[in-house]
Formats: sequence, C-alpha cells, structure tokens
Amino acid sequence: DTEVTQTPKHLVMGMTNKKSLKCEQHMGHRAMYWYKQKAKKPPELMFVYSYEKLSINESVPSRFSPECPNSSLLNLHLHALQPEDSALYLCASSQVEGLASSTDTQYFGPGTRLTVL
Amino acid sequence: GQQVMQIPQYQHVQEGEDFTTYCNSSTTLSNIQWYKQRPGGHPVFLIQLVKSGEVKKQKRLTFQFGEAKKNSSLHITATQTTDVGTYFCSASYIPTFGRGTSLIVHP
Repeated sequence: DTEVTQTPKHLVMGMTNKKSLKCEQHMGHRAMYWYKQKAKKPPELMFVYSYEKLSINESVPSRFSPECPNSSLLNLHLHALQPEDSALYLCASSQVEGLASSTDTQYFGPGTRLTVL
Repeated sequence: GQQVMQIPQYQHVQEGEDFTTYCNSSTTLSNIQWYKQRPGGHPVFLIQLVKSGEVKKQKRLTFQFGEAKKNSSLHITATQTTDVGTYFCSASYIPTFGRGTSLIVHP
C-alpha cells in the first residue's frame, strides 16, 4: 500500500470558521509533511513531523496549527484564515526525514483544495 | 536555504518531439528527485538519483545527474499526450522544489 489519503477533497470556509484537514498513511513512514501549493507554482513546505514530533516549521502563520496524533495520522487545524490562504494543501510522507544534505522519497496525497471566502 | 533553479518554465512540443528539463544548484547535492504532476493532480515520484554521473531510464524517460552533482536533467523521447504535466525536481534536507517545467504536447 503506497497510498496517502487526504480528507476532505474540497473545503470552502469563511474567515471566521475553524476546520481541520486530515492525512493518513499506512506505509510505516515516520516522516510526514504539509505543503501549500498555489496555482502554477511548486509545492511550498509548511511543516515536517519526524517520529511524531514537529521538526520543521517554515515560518508558517499561527492560524495554521499542525498535529500528529500518531505515526499514521497528520492533521492541519485552520482558524481565522485569509482569502490568500486559498490553495491546494498537500500531505506527504517518507520513510524517514531526510538527513543533513539529503532527502527521502516522498509520497504525496491527492490534496485538499481549500477556498477561503 | 538551498535553491534549485529549473528551466524552462514552459515547453510546447508537437507530439513525437523530444523534451528536456534542467535543474541546477549552486551547491553540491546529496541526491535529487524528480516528480510529475498532472493538471489537477498531485506530485507523483518518478525517480531518485544519488551517484555522480548517474543515468537512469524509464521507458522513454532518461534522467541524468551531473558529475559534480550540481545539475540534473530529465529527457523524454518522442513525447506523447500522456506526458502532459509539470515536472519538478526536488533536493536538499529541507525539501525544496524547483519551480517546475510545464510540458504541453500538441497532437
């Protein structure tokens, strides 16, 4: 099973709403990632979890709050988002987090397409 | 952080023509990965290159890693409409994607 699943596929929310994105993998991977991708742009790394601990936060605003309840699950809690946060949010996993100067193959989920009104 | 520059940004080809995208880094890379993202889809892993001068082939796709491990290329022979998508390279400890090359194949 090389699948990463994400729910929901689409999400429309107002700026005052609180919502959560969910990601799941059953490949035994110990590193999980959140990316944000705007149209016609490459994925931008947001967070990395390694062995269920947050290891990288790429200066993401606090209105995005990640959570890793266990080694298979990764959540992204959203609160008070702005219209410019509308994007495709991708989850990925890899066997381990890349060691210094290297990286490990990432498997991406299908993404959640988020629209903030 | 480490940056990878990818060119060209777009490439239009007639079906049957060849296509090449290039990634360049100012620093030596430990390895490099290539992904393909179809329109409306998500990035899908294609290959990882690790060794200096490495060349790997997948059917009509040929991947190369430079001798100095600072550049890499993806070459597609005789493009087909199924090759349409954006091809990204990715490198570094903190995963950094090149800006991607969007391939448009005209039948």
